[in-house]
Amino acid sequence: AQSVTQLGSHVSVSEGALVLLRCNYSSSVPPYLFWYVQYPNQGLQLLLKYTTGATLVKGINGFEAEFKKSETSFHLTKPSAHMSDAAEYFCAVSGYYGGSQGNLIFGKGTKLSVKP
Amino acid sequence: ETGVTQSPTHLIKTRGQQVTLRCSSQSGHNTVSWYQQALGQGPQFIFQYYREEENGRGNFPPRFSGLQFPNYSSELNVNALELDDSALYLCASSLAGTGGSSTQYFGPGTRLTVL
Repeated sequence: AQSVTQLGSHVSVSEGALVLLRCNYSSSVPPYLFWYVQYPNQGLQLLLKYTTGATLVKGINGFEAEFKKSETSFHLTKPSAHMSDAAEYFCAVSGYYGGSQGNLIFGKGTKLSVKP
Repeated sequence: ETGVTQSPTHLIKTRGQQVTLRCSSQSGHNTVSWYQQALGQGPQFIFQYYREEENGRGNFPPRFSGLQFPNYSSELNVNALELDDSALYLCASSLAGTGGSSTQYFGPGTRLTVL
């Protein structure tokens, strides 16, 4: 069975500071990993995803994440936080259903606050 | 390119009633997945439809059912509503054929309140 653990339900940073949101996964097969962002009262928007190949993945809005198999981690980072980054962030791993794409298994989310 | 749309935006029902939520998939996508997001939680997979058939289901009772139409749009039906069914229901569309790496594109959701 696959699962995702996001460490820290709430992270607060100052504007311009490094953003680090932690995600650890459990998967018996090579995982596909995703980060989504959710702004208040909205759906989820894909930030980035890892499938195969390069382990450092760059996404939208200056975010990136590194797949570390040995640590079963996929932490999300951004060098300099902006006020507009305040939102909830979800890490997800893709499940498998034979022959077709699988469902997404989400972590509980991390709410990012950015202080001026 | 038209994104994923859902209707209605908000819905209030009473316990025991039935509800139907609707989703139009993004142009060119043939797979629709439904998720339930309770307050303060991550989305939980309900089921997925591909070629008008259910293609995987999460840990939800049979009173949660769905349909997919030839144009790939979809409905989620919930019978005998319970208070715990109050949540944001998210629909996501994708293009099958690339295994679990396909990106799922989410709609804005339907907020269901059960009183």
